[in-house]
Amino acid sequence: GAGVSQTPSNKVTEKGKYVELRCDPISGHTALYWYRQSLGQGPEFLIYFQGTGAADDSGLPNDRFFAVRPEGSVSTLKIQRTERGDSAVYLCASSPGTSGANVLTFGAGSRLTVL
Amino acid sequence: AQKVTQAQTEISVVEKEDVTLDCVYETRDTTYYLFWYKQPPSGELVFLIRRNSFDEQNEISGRYSWNFQKSTSSFNFTITASQVVDSAVYFCALSEASYNFNKFYFGSGTKLNVKP
Repeated sequence: GAGVSQTPSNKVTEKGKYVELRCDPISGHTALYWYRQSLGQGPEFLIYFQGTGAADDSGLPNDRFFAVRPEGSVSTLKIQRTERGDSAVYLCASSPGTSGANVLTFGAGSRLTVL
Repeated sequence: AQKVTQAQTEISVVEKEDVTLDCVYETRDTTYYLFWYKQPPSGELVFLIRRNSFDEQNEISGRYSWNFQKSTSSFNFTITASQVVDSAVYFCALSEASYNFNKFYFGSGTKLNVKP
């Protein structure tokens, strides 16, 4: 697509529920990133994919968080047993993935509210 | 420790004033990149500039200019003759060679309010 698309744009859930957030990167971009942005803060790195594999998942806060990218395009961030502290905007970004410092193109984000 | 510090939480100026947004970074890498992104009220982060650690030349793009000083580990951003449309949150970010430039560290952002 023309830009990075994220769905849903807003998700309200109850504590303890399971949530999936989807990211559709720019067509042809091999690198995909998930960030989390809490209110009044900058984006915080969660995980980075190069192709289908998670090249760096060191930012995932705990084992309730998991992300996949099975075909090297669309990615899904999965959160189990949600907690109120998971409330944030989850940002997805993609880049061409070539060597050197790529510029990240961000989506509009998925705002998650855990009640 | 914070790798990127933006000490100014919020700045308010009147239209046509010049304003400088500060960014201080910390890294042990000799090869790194610095970025500025703009986040307007709509929420989508918009790329403004990328600068690598070997290029300390200042850059100007229209009303925007950037001052990179390795000696003080700073990468400051100046908007000349600010406009209401410049109102947004601005983020400075760092990526390092030791992470293959794929892990971006963002500062906490500076909210700029430009009043008419």
